Amino acid sequence: EIVMTQSPATLSVSPGERATLSCRASQSVSSNLAWYQQKPGQAPRLLIYGASTRATGIPARFSGSGSGTEFTLTISSLQSEDFAVYYCQQYNNWPLWTFGQGTKVEIK
Amino acid sequence: EVQLVESGGGLVQPGGSLRLSCAASGFTFSDHYMDWVRQAPGKGLEWVGRTRNKAKSYTTEYAASVKGRFTISRDDSKNSLYLQMNSLKTEDTAVYYCARVPYSSIGSFDLWGRGTLVTVSS
Repeated sequence: EIVMTQSPATLSVSPGERATLSCRASQSVSSNLAWYQQKPGQAPRLLIYGASTRATGIPARFSGSGSGTEFTLTISSLQSEDFAVYYCQQYNNWPLWTFGQGTKVEIK
Repeated sequence: EVQLVESGGGLVQPGGSLRLSCAASGFTFSDHYMDWVRQAPGKGLEWVGRTRNKAKSYTTEYAASVKGRFTISRDDSKNSLYLQMNSLKTEDTAVYYCARVPYSSIGSFDLWGRGTLVTVSS
């Protein structure tokens, strides 16, 4: 099983600032990586797939990068609605899709 | 409106069974692979399993943690997805989400329901 490790566990950021979230895979997942946003009591929302492609309707302030084992989700200028938990997910190792444990982005 | 709505969750004793449903609307359900993903209270996400579409003979796949106990099925005439859960364990306690697999990326999930809570406890 591929283990996905996200860091940091919690990120404190002021509105308008840049947020950088990391996700590391225990072995290469090529570019088969997605990012999701989840707010309390809500279902996850797809942000990025293919490591860097924004999903439909996702604002340009969200960007993804990386390949192999190291990935980054960047939120260029945090808005109030962006405070949430973010998960990465690999889909390279079928049928064992695995998620990271999440990074909580909170208001500083 | 494009949406998925889960139902059927509740409290069940260890060893018991439960059947979850997911009603789809607003898109061509029959075209898509559909998955179940769960989230234990306060924990992260865990993929449960998948059913492919008719073109792929409705084949299914399961996570090792549920294989042999859970069965995924679908009824395209009713735009519905199902999860039959047998021999339930306390560790199966979670919110269960149904999720749509997009054409563009068969490993990700571009539409999720709001989830239904399954509690396995005596």
